[in-house]
This record gives sequence, C-alpha cells and structure tokens, in this order.
Amino acid sequence: AQSVTQPDIHITVSEGASLELRCNYSYGATPYLFWYVQSPGQGLQLLLKYFSGDTLVQGIKGFEAEFKRSQSSFNLRKPSVHWSDAAEYFCAVGAVDTDKLIFGTGTRLQVFP
Amino acid sequence: EAQVTQNPRYLITVTGKKLTVTCSQNMNHEYMSWYRQDPGLGLRQIYYSMNVEVTDKGDVPEGYKVSRKEKRNFPLILESPSPNQTSLYFCASSLGRGGTEAFFGQGTRLTVV
Repeated sequence: AQSVTQPDIHITVSEGASLELRCNYSYGATPYLFWYVQSPGQGLQLLLKYFSGDTLVQGIKGFEAEFKRSQSSFNLRKPSVHWSDAAEYFCAVGAVDTDKLIFGTGTRLQVFP
Repeated sequence: EAQVTQNPRYLITVTGKKLTVTCSQNMNHEYMSWYRQDPGLGLRQIYYSMNVEVTDKGDVPEGYKVSRKEKRNFPLILESPSPNQTSLYFCASSLGRGGTEAFFGQGTRLTVV
C-alpha cells in the first residue's frame, strides 16, 4: 500500500540557515511526488512536483527537492530560510492510475529571527 | 484567477443538525475531492469525484455525503454531524487522478458541539 512518512513533526531553524525536510514514501511503481505548503489559515499550495526525468526539481519560493529512488526519499531543501517560510509542509505521493494523493502527517517549520 | 472556493470558512454547529459545505472550482477540472485534516494525521480523503454524477468513497467516508450535479461544484454534506467530525476540511480539484497537481480551497474549520 502507498504511504508517506515525514519523520519530523516540528523543526525550528534560524532565519538564513539552510533547511532540509525529510520525506520517505512507499509505493510499488514509479510514484508522482509532491510538496505542498500550508501557511496559517490558508489552503495548501504546491511547491514542486516530480513526475520523471531530472531527479532534482526546482520549485517556487527558492525550494528544491531531490528524488532518490534507492532511498525512497524526496527531501525538500532550501539554502537560506526566510521568516515567511514558517508554515506546515506536506509531502504527498500519487500515481496516474490511482484516485487520490497520499499525504504525510506534515512538518511544522518555525523560523527564529 | 484560477481558484477553488469553499464556504463557509468557519462553522460551529450542534450535533445532529444537517449542514452543507460548498465547493466550487473555475478551472474546468474533472476531478474533485474532499479531505479532512486532523493534527498528527495529515490529510485524509473523504470522497472524490471523477466527473459529473460519478463519485466514490475515499479513506474516511463514514458520516459524509457528496454530490456532483455540475462539473464546477462538489458540496460536502453532513446529514447528522457528530463531535468526531470536528476538523479542518479541504476541497481540491485537479485535471486528472492521483498523478496530477491538486488545487486546494482555503479550508473550512468545522466545530460540532
């Protein structure tokens, strides 16, 4: 069965520091992978997605993620975090022949000045 | 502007009083779904619809109903709400099934007392 694990419930970083949010997935075939961000009181916004091809994908707001098939991971990174990046981040897995996205439980990012 | 609109954003109701949360999208998407978000559980799919008059259960359908009479609208109905349905609800739409980007509404925070 498909599943997504985000091992870190809560991460705190200082503004300007680098960031890596972890995501591991379980899926039998080639997955479609997504990172969404949820700002307080808002819906989910797509940061980036991986379908195929280059395993390093660039997204909005300076984020990137790397697909590593051997590790079943799709970690999200940002070289320098801004205070406005404080939000909850969700990793999700889907496939063209399924009817839903499977979401991880989310990682809440707190940014200190 | 492409968007998914949910109403109301906030709702407090009493146990057993029927309610409807509306969802409308202006992107001509065929696929729509409802999720609920609970702390520590991420987002879980309630129902989805692949097209007009075609709906199916997601992972947590008990206590909910949906309808899809028009392509743009996908209301969520709670016939007899209970306190365990207190949650944050999101409507989403996409061009296709699990392998495509989902666009989310801003959410409806429901409290059942």
